[in-house]
Amino acid sequence: NAGVTQTPKFQVLKTGQSMTLQCAQDMNHEYMSWYRQDPGMGLRLIHYSVGAGITDQGEVPNGYNVSRSTTEDFPLRLLSAAPSQTSVYFCASSYWGGDEQFFGPGTRLTVL
Amino acid sequence: GQQVMQIPQYQHVQEGEDFTTYCNSSTTLSNIQWYKQRPGGHPVFLIQLVKSGEVKKQKRLTFQFGEAKKNSSLHITATQTTDVGTYFCAGHTGGGNKLTFGTGTQLKVEL
Repeated sequence: NAGVTQTPKFQVLKTGQSMTLQCAQDMNHEYMSWYRQDPGMGLRLIHYSVGAGITDQGEVPNGYNVSRSTTEDFPLRLLSAAPSQTSVYFCASSYWGGDEQFFGPGTRLTVL
Repeated sequence: GQQVMQIPQYQHVQEGEDFTTYCNSSTTLSNIQWYKQRPGGHPVFLIQLVKSGEVKKQKRLTFQFGEAKKNSSLHITATQTTDVGTYFCAGHTGGGNKLTFGTGTQLKVEL
């Protein structure tokens, strides 16, 4: 099992560009989520999904879109990148929202 | 909304000293989880506590869940250099589908 995979590992964008961060899991988990990690602020929930076709907003959803067409994949889209979106992004999956979370290796994003 | 605070934010210890991080929630939790993140790595699950007053041990690590289920602590006895990293608590309120992570405690261990 690969667990939770994320691509790319590193990305540099210019302000206004769009991109998609990929996340996939092979554990048949229903629950998937995206977090951003900034120094001194812990992990903040961006969006989450409780199953294919169902998504909901977390704590900091503005500027991000998600969709969940399959159980395995949960991509995160940045519509128009801003410097404030410079962060480390983690995808996580679990059987349900209050269960042990399995995290991917992260994507380090810099927006210039 | 629910808030989870952790203290201290940073802790430097000499190898062999003990270390404790504290986690406090603004609301009653159904469970609390602890994660460890090594420098440059991703958070890794350590343990989950569910019952009021619960205490669990993993070798040199002791985890406690408060009687009111609003606070928790992680205590490391005789720290080692392998304990270096950031420790996060994460609280779940029953009926919701979200974990709220604390701000984390960064532990540095010096020889």
